[in-house]
Amino acid sequence: GAVVSQHPSRVICKSGTSVKIECRSLDFQATTMFWYRQFPKQSLMLMATSNEGSKATYEQGVEKDKFLINHASLTLSTLTVTSAHPEDSSFYICSASETGLFNQPQHFGDGTRLSIL
Amino acid sequence: KQEVTQIPAALSVPEGENLVLNCSFTDSAIYNLQWFRQDPGKGLTSLLLIQSSQREQTSGRLNASLDKSSGRSTLYIAASQPGDSATYLCAVKYSSASKIIFGSGTRLSIRP
Repeated sequence: GAVVSQHPSRVICKSGTSVKIECRSLDFQATTMFWYRQFPKQSLMLMATSNEGSKATYEQGVEKDKFLINHASLTLSTLTVTSAHPEDSSFYICSASETGLFNQPQHFGDGTRLSIL
Repeated sequence: KQEVTQIPAALSVPEGENLVLNCSFTDSAIYNLQWFRQDPGKGLTSLLLIQSSQREQTSGRLNASLDKSSGRSTLYIAASQPGDSATYLCAVKYSSASKIIFGSGTRLSIRP
């Protein structure tokens, strides 16, 4: 079945550091990937839609200069949290579905737990 | 505004019982609806996908139903087991290219 791989699974770093998270579709192509953020005991909140070869679409309230998204190929999207601060600590998850096929399920990565000290 | 609601927020039942999780959505013109399972600190596992033209989907002990006219979906779990303990999320998509809107989830605990 379709697999989405997310790396790293956990990051602990100092305030002010920039952190890059990768999301890969391992056995399918995805022109669109989604990035979510989840706080403890809350549901997923969509941050942005990553579009291959074009700019990402950000949800209201999400700073595009803070959360940089690059979708350079049909199998890879990256989210970079720039100059991270403690309030950016959260669980970040990406998802994708196979391009070109009708009504495919969304497949999710295992998430990245980001802790900013 | 398109919203997805899940009730109850938490549920605890003894092992072996059958149970139903509820999901409601405000806009009935959905593209598909998907049920996910999330274990603590983990990503999401897709359980069942129901297309807008379908009424239900089954996988093993799981059965998901869809009633677009009333804006509701249910996830039925038969003969529950402790390993079923997790948070169950309902998510709705309104077009092939649109974002997924998640419910807040139901935290299920199965007591041995």
